[in-house]
Amino acid sequence: LAKTTQPISMDSYEGQEVNITCSHNNIATNDYITWYQQFPSQGPRFIIQGYKTKVTNEVASLFIPADRKSSTLSLPRVSLSDTAVYYCLVGDPFYNQGGKLIFGQGTELSVKP
Amino acid sequence: DVKVTQSSRYLVKRTGEKVFLECVQDMDHENMFWYRQDPGLGLRLIYFSYDVKMKEKGDIPEGYSVSREKKERFSLILESASTNQTSMYLCASSPPQGRVTEAFFGQGTRLTVV
Repeated sequence: LAKTTQPISMDSYEGQEVNITCSHNNIATNDYITWYQQFPSQGPRFIIQGYKTKVTNEVASLFIPADRKSSTLSLPRVSLSDTAVYYCLVGDPFYNQGGKLIFGQGTELSVKP
Repeated sequence: DVKVTQSSRYLVKRTGEKVFLECVQDMDHENMFWYRQDPGLGLRLIYFSYDVKMKEKGDIPEGYSVSREKKERFSLILESASTNQTSMYLCASSPPQGRVTEAFFGQGTRLTVV
C-alpha cells in the first residue's frame, strides 16, 4: 500500500489561501488521492478526491501533477473554523475487497485571527 | 445522510475486563473499519471488514478481535482490556465500488482503562 507523507503542522491567518502538500511516491496506477478533515472530538470527514489534474468542490481544490507522486490540497481564504487536522491517503475506490484505508499522521492546520 | 453510530461516547473499564465497542451503519455499506487514534500517532487501522463474517487485520490488531454477523453492525472486542488500550476508537463504513475511499466515520468512543 502506498504511504503518504505530509507536514506535521501548518499555521495560517484568516483570509489566506492554504496549500497542504502530500507526497505519495509509490502511488499505484489505480489509486486515487483522497483528503479528509478532522475537527477536535469528531471523526474525520471526507472532503475531496481526485485522480489527476485538478478537482474543485465547495470546500477545497485538489491539484495533482502529471506524475501523481504528490498532491496539494488548497483551501481558499481560510477562516478560524478551518482549524483542523487534514489527512491525505491513497487508495483504489473501485476495489471493494481488501480496500483498506490507511491514514498517516495528518497535518494540523492552525488558523489564527 | 449516512449515519455511523457508535454505542458509547465515553467508556471507563477496568484492567482485565472484556470490552465490546459496537458500531452500526444505516447505508448498507459493505466495508467497515475500526481505528484507534492517539496523540501524535494519527489514525491507525485495527481491523477491516469487507463483507459479513469477513475480516482482515489492520496495522495494530494485537489485543483486539472483531465480529461482523450482520452487514450493518461491526463490533470491536478487547478480550482483556489493558491500560495501553486507553484511546479514542473510531468506526467507519464506506460505500461500494467506485466510492470505497469515501468513508463515513462515527463520533468516536473515548475508552479509558483503569
